[in-house]
Amino acid sequence: DIQMTQSPSTLSASVGDRVTITCRASQSISSWLAWYQQKPGKAPKLLIYKASSLESGVPSRFSGSGSGTEFTLTISSLQPDDFATYYCQQYNSFITFGQGTRLEIK
Amino acid sequence: QVQLVESGGGVVQPGRSLRLSCAASGFTFSSYGMHWVRQAPGKGLEWVAVIWYDGSNKYYADSVKGRFTISRDNSKNTLYLQMNSLRAEDTAVYYCARPTVDTAMVFAFDIWGQGTMVTVSS
Repeated sequence: DIQMTQSPSTLSASVGDRVTITCRASQSISSWLAWYQQKPGKAPKLLIYKASSLESGVPSRFSGSGSGTEFTLTISSLQPDDFATYYCQQYNSFITFGQGTRLEIK
Repeated sequence: QVQLVESGGGVVQPGRSLRLSCAASGFTFSSYGMHWVRQAPGKGLEWVAVIWYDGSNKYYADSVKGRFTISRDNSKNTLYLQMNSLRAEDTAVYYCARPTVDTAMVFAFDIWGQGTMVTVSS
């Protein structure tokens, strides 16, 4: 099974900050990686697929990069609506999620 | 609009069974592989199972293999999850989810249901 490890687990930041979340796979997954945003009591929302493709309707301040085993999600300028939990997901071999990164207000 | 609506959750005793349903609308359900994903209270997301668009293949997480069965009725646009021998650790919100493309059974998920809560407790 492919394991996904996100870092950090919690990130404190302010509105306007640039933040980066990292996701590492236990083996190469090519570019078969997605990023989701989840708010309390809601289903996850797809942000990025195929490592760097922005889902329709998602603001351009979100971007993804990486391939193989290391990936990043970057939010270029944090907005109040961005404080949430973020998950990476590999779909190279079935599905595995990272443990999540909680983005909180500093 | 494209929508998934889960139902069937509730409180059940350990060892008992429960069947979840996921009603799809707004897209050609019979063209997509479909998945179940769960989330225990305060925890992360865990993939549970996938079924091919025509029901020909089914795969499960090790944690539910042999106890849960995924199925679908394309004539009713409905996905199911039969959960047997339930354990306390199966307590979670259960989501059905659709891949972004119909050409790949396993992909990123662009459509999720609202989730249905399953609580396993005596």
